[in-house]
This record gives sequence, structure tokens and C-alpha cells, in this order.
Amino acid sequence: DGGITQSPKYLFRKEGQNVTLSCEQNLNHDAMYWYRQDPGQGLRLIYYSQIVNDFQKGDIAEGYSVSREKKESFPLTVTSAQKNPTAFYLCASSRAGVNEQFFGPGTRLTVL
Amino acid sequence: SQQGEEDPQALSIQEGENATMNCSYKTSINNLQWYRQNSGRGLVHLILIRSNEREKHSGRLRVTLDTSKKSSSLLITASRAADTASYFCAPTSGTYKYIFGTGTRLKVLA
Repeated sequence: DGGITQSPKYLFRKEGQNVTLSCEQNLNHDAMYWYRQDPGQGLRLIYYSQIVNDFQKGDIAEGYSVSREKKESFPLTVTSAQKNPTAFYLCASSRAGVNEQFFGPGTRLTVL
Repeated sequence: SQQGEEDPQALSIQEGENATMNCSYKTSINNLQWYRQNSGRGLVHLILIRSNEREKHSGRLRVTLDTSKKSSSLLITASRAADTASYFCAPTSGTYKYIFGTGTRLKVLA
């Protein structure tokens, strides 16, 4: 089955620790995205990547880092510099030049 | 990039009734998309309407677009309990980057 997966579904982190969220797609999509969603809110763009080895900051990139070494993978690292990391994180992908985005099931990160 | 603003913020209806939600945006667009999000899940793409289209149908969904008013509406006919979700619009202007609003939270009562 083609799709986009995120792992883990739930993640707990102690303050001061870095944590990496996984996002993998087998849809052969060029573009991938990371969003953050807080309770009752819309999605805010963290980072996006249009091609391998290239990515751009979104609106709330501070305290986050990404890499895009493979077309299928776009991991997000939440660093200790992110002041309020507890949130629901969504990864998405799309074909080049096509706006429709396919979303993963999300990772809920809680900082203890 | 630009943000769509959905209205109303919340909507409760009885099963079988129609649900209408609206989206407004500020600048010219290439197309506008609607997405659904069930609680605690990822978003699911529902429908895309291009800027040169005025109306589009997909099953029980009907989307209209009025570029002169910079607005769109999503109509869900004969609603079901399973339609309970948040609905987001995404006006896009040819770039990869766009911003989702806070959505309309629809509750369909059985």
C-alpha cells in the first residue's frame, strides 16, 4: 500500500533532550512538509523540502531541524532550544507542481 | 503564502441536515482546497477547485468559489455522524507553502 507513515505515535521527552520524529513516504513524492498543531488550532508550517538535499524554513522553524538525504524520508528533530515543544506534529508530502498534500497520522509529543 | 479563514468556528447539526462552512482569503489564488481532520488524526484531502471553476461536486460534497469575493463554501449534504470532524480550507497561489486556518469544527448529532 502506498502512503505516508510517522513514528512513533506518542513520544515523551524530558526537558533538555533532543528528540527525532520519523516521516517516511512511498508515494514517490518530491515535496515533504512538517507542521505543528496545538489544541484547537490550525497547522503551522515548520519546514518543507521540495527536493532531496534541500529544505526551507517555514513560519516556526526556531528550535527545530530537518534533513532530506533520501526522497522517502524527512525526519524532524525537536531540539532543547524549542521552548514549548508539546504539540501534535504532522508530516505531509505532495507531487512536484501539485498542491494536494497527503498527511501522515501524526506524532503527539509531550515534554515532561 | 496566505491563510484561509474558516467560518463558523464551530457548527452543530442533526444527522441528515446539510452543513455549510465558509472560507475567506485575501489575495489571488490558483486553486483552493478543502481538507478534513478527524480528532487526533492527520488531514485528508477532500476536494480541489481551480480559480477558473465556480462549482465542483464530489459525492455529498459541493464546493463553490467566488474569486470576486475571495471566498469559498463547502456544503456537506445529508450529513452523517461520521462527518464529525474539523474542516480546513487552503487557498494556494502556486507555491509549495501555504497556511491552514483554525478550521470549522463540525459536530453531527445522531
